[in-house]
Amino acid sequence: EADIYQTPRYLVIGTGKKITLECSQTMGHDKMYWYQQDPGMELHLIHYSYGVNSTEKGDLSSESTVSRIRTEHFPLTLESARPSHTSQYLCASSHLGTDNTEAFFGQGTRLTVV
Amino acid sequence: AQTVTQSQPEMSVQEAETVTLSCTYDTSESDYYLFWYKQPPSRQMILVIRQEAYKQQNATENRFSVNFQKAAKSFSLKISDSQLGDAAMYFCAYLSGSARQLTFGSGTQLTVLP
Repeated sequence: EADIYQTPRYLVIGTGKKITLECSQTMGHDKMYWYQQDPGMELHLIHYSYGVNSTEKGDLSSESTVSRIRTEHFPLTLESARPSHTSQYLCASSHLGTDNTEAFFGQGTRLTVV
Repeated sequence: AQTVTQSQPEMSVQEAETVTLSCTYDTSESDYYLFWYKQPPSRQMILVIRQEAYKQQNATENRFSVNFQKAAKSFSLKISDSQLGDAAMYFCAYLSGSARQLTFGSGTQLTVLP
């Protein structure tokens, strides 16, 4: 199994609450990604990072923010959760170079905002 | 921006038979990487097979092989001797030559019939 972990696995939270989804990897990967996976199962890239203090927005606009203070940690934060944020969130990581391009995925966080 | 298209939302195959999943992509780059990922129900996404665009030879991993047609921008996955454990959502993915963003198709749900 890949050494990338997401917590919590499931979260039900009320509208307006601030939440942070955690993602950690122990593989020393520079690149990390956050994807939002909708009920139709399609994956949309919302954030990515090439290393410490590097963050970029992905193709899908998201009200969430991310930070990369440590190589192994890439948390995603929603300042004020809304029902439209209900989705599955997948974190992934990979090496930065082109020699080993495989991305490893966490088990995901299923977020429900009520 | 690169796009990845999977035109088959659902496919089914009889156990021990062969099935082919289709994927096309659009890019102006000549150097890139293509992947097939598998997401079993409630389990982590894992890599099935990878193809470097500069390689003419089609990648093969045991029962899984690809048909890479660079000029046609086509990257299909063939699963031989299908097993019940192959049932999953399959995603085609594209990584640019600069190894920046990893873009996914919309997925194909594969059912294996006993």
